[in-house]
Amino acid sequence: AQSVAQPEDQVNVAEGNPLTVKCTYSVSGNPYLFWYVQYPNRGLQFLLKYITGDNLVKGSYGFEAEFNKSQTSFHLKKPSALVSDSALYFCAVRDKSGYGGATNKLIFGTGTLLAVQP
Amino acid sequence: GAGVSQTPSNKVTEKGKYVELRCDPISGHTALYWYRQSLGQGPEFLIYFQGTGAADDSGLPNDRFFAVRPEGSVSTLKIQRTERGDSAVYLCASSLGEGYNEQFFGPGTRLTVL
Repeated sequence: AQSVAQPEDQVNVAEGNPLTVKCTYSVSGNPYLFWYVQYPNRGLQFLLKYITGDNLVKGSYGFEAEFNKSQTSFHLKKPSALVSDSALYFCAVRDKSGYGGATNKLIFGTGTLLAVQP
Repeated sequence: GAGVSQTPSNKVTEKGKYVELRCDPISGHTALYWYRQSLGQGPEFLIYFQGTGAADDSGLPNDRFFAVRPEGSVSTLKIQRTERGDSAVYLCASSLGEGYNEQFFGPGTRLTVL
């Protein structure tokens, strides 16, 4: 079964410091991986995706993520955290199971709350 | 441009009642998805439309849940005989066709079943 895991419920970082939000995945074949951010009382916002190519993917708001096939990880990173980055972050993978081997549904992790202290 | 919109933003109903949740996708997006997000959890897939047809409804929890997209644009998620366990935020998303395109999410409808 396809899945993603976000091992940390919460990550605390001081403003200006680098941040990392962890994600590992379990899929058959090549994964399609996504990061979304959710601010309070708002919908999910797309940050970035990995489909193929360069393992370092750059996205919105200065975020980037590194795809590591050997470690089956797709960690989200930012060199310098801002207080406004405080939000709930979700890693997701496109499901490849069922319906002839491909479906467009996303499987989400349980989310990591990022708290950036001023 | 306009994003995905969902109405109502909040819906409070009594156990056993029928509810309809509406989603208006981004113009030109042929793919539309419904997810459900419970407190403290990530979104869980319910159903996916490509055009007017449901391409994957494997996430619908039971036959009380049904969704339509008659003209390939607006979609309605229908829940019959609501139960307290149906309380959640229902999220709609749309994307440009199939494949690996990112999904754009609406703000959600918070459903509370008393």
